[in-house]
Parts: sequence; C-alpha cells; structure tokens
Amino acid sequence: AQSVTQPDIHITVSEGASLELRCNYSYGATPYLFWYVQSPGQGLQLLLKYFSGDTLVQGIKGFEAEFKRSQSSFNLRKPSVHWSDAAEYFCAVGAGGNKLVFGAGTILRVKS
Amino acid sequence: KAGVTQTPRYLIKTRGQQVTLSCSPISGHRSVSWYQQTPGQGLQFLFEYFSETQRNKGNFPGRFSGRQFSNSRSEMNVSTLELGDSALYLCASSFSLSDKNTEAFFGQGTRLTVV
Repeated sequence: AQSVTQPDIHITVSEGASLELRCNYSYGATPYLFWYVQSPGQGLQLLLKYFSGDTLVQGIKGFEAEFKRSQSSFNLRKPSVHWSDAAEYFCAVGAGGNKLVFGAGTILRVKS
Repeated sequence: KAGVTQTPRYLIKTRGQQVTLSCSPISGHRSVSWYQQTPGQGLQFLFEYFSETQRNKGNFPGRFSGRQFSNSRSEMNVSTLELGDSALYLCASSFSLSDKNTEAFFGQGTRLTVV
C-alpha cells in the first residue's frame, strides 16, 4: 500500500534562511507526488507536483522539489524563507484515480 | 473562475445526530473527493465520486456516505455522530478521473464539532 513519511513534525527556520522539508514515499510503480500547504483553518493549496520527466520541479511561491527514485524521496526546498511561509506542509502520493495519500505534515515556524 | 465551495464552514452537532456537508466543485470538474482531517489521524481519504458514481472508498465505517449529483455537486453524510467524528472535512475537485492523478483543488473545509 502507498504511504508517505514526513520525518519532521516541526521545523523552525530564521527568515531569509534556506528550507528543506523531507518526504519519503512508498509506492510500487512510478509515483505521482505532490506538495500542499495549509494555513490555519484553511484548505490545502497545491505548491507543486511531479508526474514524470524532469526530476526537479518548480512550484509556486519560490518552492521547488526534487524527485529521487533511488532514495524514494521528494524533498521540498526554498532558498530563502519569508515569514508568510509559516504554515503546515503536506507531502502526498497519488494512489489511483484522484485519491491522495498524505504524510502527517510538517509545521514550519519562521523566526524573525 | 470560482474555487471549490464547501458549506457550511462550521457545524456543531450532538452525539447521535446526523449531518450533511455540501461541496460544489470548480465549474467543469467532474470528480469530487472527500477527506477527513484530525490532529490524531491526519488527512484520510473518505471517498471519490465521478459522474454520480462512487469510484473509490477509504477505510471508514458505513456511517459515512456520500453522493454526487448530475451537476457534479457532492454531499457527504455522517449518521449517528460520535465524538471522534469531530474534524475538518475537506472536499477536493478534479477535472477528470484517471490513473494519472490530475491536480486536486481543495475547498476551505467544513469544521464539524460533535458535542
């Protein structure tokens, strides 16, 4: 069965510092991978997605993610974090149709 | 283009009651999926509807049900509410149904509190 692991429950970074959020997946075939962001009390907004092709994917708000099949990883990165990036981030894998299996999420705190 | 609309945004219900939540997908989208989000279990898939048919179902008891109308709007129903059903219920709409996940757009959710 498909699964997603986000090892870090909380991460705190200083404003302007770089960010990397980790995601590992378990899936038998070529995965469809997603990163979503959720602000408190809100729905999920798609940051980026990987279906195939170039393993480095660019998303909105300056985020990017790299698909590494050998490590079963899809880590999210941003070179310089802004205070407005504070939110909860979810990695997800497609599980057939439009079903998504989500990781537990990583809460990002930004220090000024 | 309007986004995914979920109504109501907040609900308070008593144990044993039933509740119906509504989701209007993005115009032209025919697939609607429902998720439950709780602090303990995270985001869990409930079910997906496409062309008025349930296409996929998560591991939830039969108290959770849904349906989709010909205009693609969807409702989910929870009967005999339990305290553990307190959660944020999220609806996601997608353009089509295929093995290649298309992008899912999420609504803001309905916050259900069972007392």
